[in-house]
Amino acid sequence: NAGVTQTPKFQVLKTGQSMTLQCAQDMNHNSMYWYRQDPGMGLRLIYYSASEGTTDKGEVPNGYNVSRLNKREFSLRLESAAPSQTSVYFCASSGRNPSYNSPLHFGNGTRLTVT
Amino acid sequence: GENVEQHPSTLSVQEGDSAVIKCTYSDSASNYFPWYKQELGKGPQLIIDIRSNVGEKKDQRIAVTLNKTAKHFSLHITETQPEDSAVYFCAAIPSTSGTYKYIFGTGTRLKVLA
Repeated sequence: NAGVTQTPKFQVLKTGQSMTLQCAQDMNHNSMYWYRQDPGMGLRLIYYSASEGTTDKGEVPNGYNVSRLNKREFSLRLESAAPSQTSVYFCASSGRNPSYNSPLHFGNGTRLTVT
Repeated sequence: GENVEQHPSTLSVQEGDSAVIKCTYSDSASNYFPWYKQELGKGPQLIIDIRSNVGEKKDQRIAVTLNKTAKHFSLHITETQPEDSAVYFCAAIPSTSGTYKYIFGTGTRLKVLA
């Protein structure tokens, strides 16, 4: 049981380049999330998907787009990368509808550097 | 707005000693308080959680206490071992807002010295 799988693990981009971070979960979870982690800032929510077919903005959505491709997969796209987007990105999933508090299950992250 | 403060930011203890990490939350409607452990190069992993109708919960060497009046909750690790070295995050979730409203603390780096 792999849980939440993120690809790639590491990426270096130049300012203005685009890329898509991939995330897949095999736990049959309804909800999926993208967080970024910066030193001293904890984890901040970028976007989430309560269920297949829906997406919503989190705390820091500017500069990002997401796609809930199916129940298993939730991708994060940077259309024009900026140095401020240098961070570690985590995908997470949870089993129930977000209206019920349930634990988050995290992937191992993608470390992104924008030069 | 909603906020979770976590202290200390770093903590060093001798192997076998206890470690305590404290969090304070601002939203009195919060009713779910998970704790996550993050090892180097990995994502956060849930280690214990508590809901507002419970004052304390234990799981082997780990315990969490909740004081709703004071709006703070704490993680207690007893008989610490080198493998407990990691970054620990607390979080609080308002009952009406759902899982997407996790508010995380800024983390505590725990070092257990052999």
